[in-house]
Amino acid sequence: AAGVIQSPRHLIKEKRETATLKCYPIPRHDTVYWYQQGPGQDPQFLISFYEKMQSDKGSIPDRFSAQQFSDYHSELNMSSLELGDSALYFCASSGRLAGGYNEQFFGPGTRLTVL
Amino acid sequence: RKEVEQDPGPFNVPEGATVAFNCTYSNSASQSFFWYRQDCRKEPKLLMSVYSSGNEDGRFTAQLNRASQYISLLIRDSKLSDSATYLCVALKDGNAGNMLTFGGGTRLMVKP
Repeated sequence: AAGVIQSPRHLIKEKRETATLKCYPIPRHDTVYWYQQGPGQDPQFLISFYEKMQSDKGSIPDRFSAQQFSDYHSELNMSSLELGDSALYFCASSGRLAGGYNEQFFGPGTRLTVL
Repeated sequence: RKEVEQDPGPFNVPEGATVAFNCTYSNSASQSFFWYRQDCRKEPKLLMSVYSSGNEDGRFTAQLNRASQYISLLIRDSKLSDSATYLCVALKDGNAGNMLTFGGGTRLMVKP
């Protein structure tokens, strides 16, 4: 079965640079979630989108923004990168399928390293 | 205090053992609960949803006690491949969507 696709899988940036992470949800899923997992930590919710509208906002820094496009893919834009932004960034999706919106399925993640 | 708390372990058990993980949550507004499994440097994978009536999937049994705000996961006949971190997760209704709150994870190591 098709899963959530994230790109790139690995990204290395320098401080103060910008980065864009992409997420392609499972087909027919209309809700996308972004999570950040720092080293040795559990995933922290950043932001979510439903039907191209922002639905919830968590601990996302003001330097980050995100959007969901008409094909339901989402992009997380990160500016003025800091060393502390180095983490695994997961995208998850859910939709009106078996399990409903409650069950979120995660992509493989993008590992961002800020030097 | 974290909204979802778990014993970080590690739990070191021999193959074939039965192991139980516990989890407590503090936000009574949490609507649904799940166990996810996460292997090192990989994404969390949904293991099972947790219901008050209890649910079983093969060797795995999950239980929710809303009165005590307590969730459990029982793994019977442990396999080497069960070695992973098990994340207890609460889903909280947001303004217009759902967000997952993760416990810190319990690490399981199954040894031959």
